[in-house]
Amino acid sequence: GENVEQHPSTLSVQEGDSAVIKCTYSDSASNYFPWYKQELGKGPQLIIDIRSNVGEKKDQRIAVTLNKTAKHFSLHITETQPEDSAVYFCAASTSGREYGNKLVFGAGTILRVKS
Amino acid sequence: NAGVTQTPKFRVLKTGQSMTLLCAQDMNHEYMYWYRQDPGMGLRLIHYSVGEGTTAKGEVPDGYNVSRLKKQNFLLGLESAAPSQTSVYFCASSYGGLSGNTIYFGEGSWLTVV
Repeated sequence: GENVEQHPSTLSVQEGDSAVIKCTYSDSASNYFPWYKQELGKGPQLIIDIRSNVGEKKDQRIAVTLNKTAKHFSLHITETQPEDSAVYFCAASTSGREYGNKLVFGAGTILRVKS
Repeated sequence: NAGVTQTPKFRVLKTGQSMTLLCAQDMNHEYMYWYRQDPGMGLRLIHYSVGEGTTAKGEVPDGYNVSRLKKQNFLLGLESAAPSQTSVYFCASSYGGLSGNTIYFGEGSWLTVV
């Protein structure tokens, strides 16, 4: 089955700097790669996602890149702010009715933005 | 705009007791899921459902049962709780299929088994 590895496990950056979180996956059939942000005491919330027919996607200060050949994808946050401090999870899945869109998550990255 | 609602939010159980976690979604989603979250392990899928009346096993199904009698509800049961089931449980739902993959999570249920 799918296996997703995420690095680093913790990341501290200065406010205004960029943060990069990387994930690798094992199943070449995976075609959907979301990123979730989880704040303390809350459920994960989708912040950006990318599908396998796209190499990069941006949404304001957040971008995700995908390299299907190397089976890795990354989250880039620019101009970090204290409110970006949270746990970030990457995930991979093979979408389709028979699969039920079962996400396999990475172990998470604790991002701390120091002001 | 409730989204995905889980009850209870906190519960302490004694080893061997049973309980049911309730999940309700108001987005008319076909797909529903139960995940558990443990430190350093991300979220792992317990069971899921691709429609009313259907259920399937996920990555870590042992010790849990589920039911999806109504489209909007997905119940997770622990028949005989064990300390290893101490965790944070998240229910989620999605429209599903090829074009609607976004999964929406509830706020979580903190379960401690002593």
